[in-house]
Amino acid sequence: EVQLVESGGGLVQPGGSLRLSCAASGFTFSDHYMDWVRQAPGKGLEWVGRIRNKTKSYTTEYAASVKGRFTISRDDSKNSLFLQMNSLKIEDTAVYYCGRGVDNGDPRVLIGHWGQGTLVTVSS
Amino acid sequence: DIQMTQSPSTLSASVGDRVTITCRASQSIGRWLAWHQQKPGKAPKVLIYKASSLESGVPSRFSGSGSGTEFTLTISSLQPDDFATYYCQQYHDYPLTFGGGTKVEIK
Repeated sequence: EVQLVESGGGLVQPGGSLRLSCAASGFTFSDHYMDWVRQAPGKGLEWVGRIRNKTKSYTTEYAASVKGRFTISRDDSKNSLFLQMNSLKIEDTAVYYCGRGVDNGDPRVLIGHWGQGTLVTVSS
Repeated sequence: DIQMTQSPSTLSASVGDRVTITCRASQSIGRWLAWHQQKPGKAPKVLIYKASSLESGVPSRFSGSGSGTEFTLTISSLQPDDFATYYCQQYHDYPLTFGGGTKVEIK
C-alpha cells in the first residue's frame, strides 16, 4: 500500500524557516517524481513544486509564489522528500501535502497519490 | 500560466441525481487533465486522469470527458459518499494548476 506521511509542520514567525519531510513507503520511491501541494485554510489547492527522479537528474520546478524561497530535495536512500521553506510569509499558512507522481506510461506525470498533510502556520 | 476555471463553484443535489461539473482551461492542454475528490479534513484523492481514464478502485459512476480546453466530470447517480469538493487539475505544463473547486452539497 502506498503511504506518504508528512511531518515538520508547526507555528513559525514571519521571516522564519521550516523544513517539512515526507516519508514514503509501499512503492519504489526512487522511480517517481514527487510533488508538494498546499491548501490555505478554507481555500483551494495550490501546487508548490516538483522534483524529478534520478533519471531526470533530480531537476525541480516551482510555483512563482515560492520560487527563490522554497527548495525541494529528496533522499532516495531514506525514501524521503523534503521541503525547505525560508523567508516565510503569512500567506504561506496552509496544509502542505506531498504527492507521488505517476505517469501511467504517458509522457506527462500527474499527482497520483496524496499524503495526509501537515499544517504550517506563519504568524507573529 | 494555464488558468483552470470550474463551474459551478457549489452544486446542490440529491442522492440519485446525475451531476456534471465543467472545467475550462485557458489554453489547450490536450487530455492532460485529472479530477481529484476531497472530503473535509482529508487529503485529495485522484478519480480520473488523462481526461477520461478511471483510477483503479474508483466507482464506475464517475466518468470524465473532454479534450483541448473543455472538460467534464459526471457522476451518473450521486451517492451519499460523493458529497465532497472536486478539483480539476492540468498537468500539461508547469506550473501545474488547479481549478477553484466545486463543492457538491446535499439538497
